[in-house]
Amino acid sequence: QKEVEQDPGPLSVPEGAIVSLNCTYSNSAFQYFMWYRQYSRKGPELLMYTYSSGNKEDGRFTAQVDKSSKYISLFIRDSQPSDSATYLCASEMDSSYKLIFGSGTRLLVRP
Amino acid sequence: DTAVSQTPKYLVTQMGNDKSIKCEQNLGHDTMYWYKQDSKKFLKIMFSYNNKELIINETVPNRFSPKSPDKAHLNLHINSLELGDSAVYFCASSQEGSSGKLETQYFGPGTRLLVL
Repeated sequence: QKEVEQDPGPLSVPEGAIVSLNCTYSNSAFQYFMWYRQYSRKGPELLMYTYSSGNKEDGRFTAQVDKSSKYISLFIRDSQPSDSATYLCASEMDSSYKLIFGSGTRLLVRP
Repeated sequence: DTAVSQTPKYLVTQMGNDKSIKCEQNLGHDTMYWYKQDSKKFLKIMFSYNNKELIINETVPNRFSPKSPDKAHLNLHINSLELGDSAVYFCASSQEGSSGKLETQYFGPGTRLLVL
């Protein structure tokens, strides 16, 4: 069993839709929870992170972590074609330097 | 003004050859990493160096040898290349953080390795 599990998709939505991306994890010691966005043929770039449980909002993006159920979510409001990319969730123990990634969900936002 | 750069971008080679990939960061970070991303987009850490010292060494075949000549550079040498080594290799760097503070990792553009 992988430490971080993610549905690979692809997920196809019309422009303007609300997108929900999800991951589960198994290691209770994880403290940081991140979402990376990766465009085709590019390196991953950090979108958002949360420390421990809770919500974090940044523009159209909201990240949620529920440590009791070991569930990580990313919501994208008013999705745009430019949001089309692979979204990778990742987790890390405190100061471990070691990111554990999910396998990524490919998102396609249709104009 | 690329933050994390890698060379080459593409590498096509025959099985059994030895090859190197180079990484440089100009962010002044203390820690550098090598990741491997397979055809299913699964990204897995291989090595990490902090101030030129190896701190993470995952279960990677010893045909893979990282070398950090200084804090800004981390190279990856691969001996006796195999078909299964075909993947995208990403370099990343981060600043050493303190407890409770995430050390954001910045990724390079990747090196696409194809072993024939």
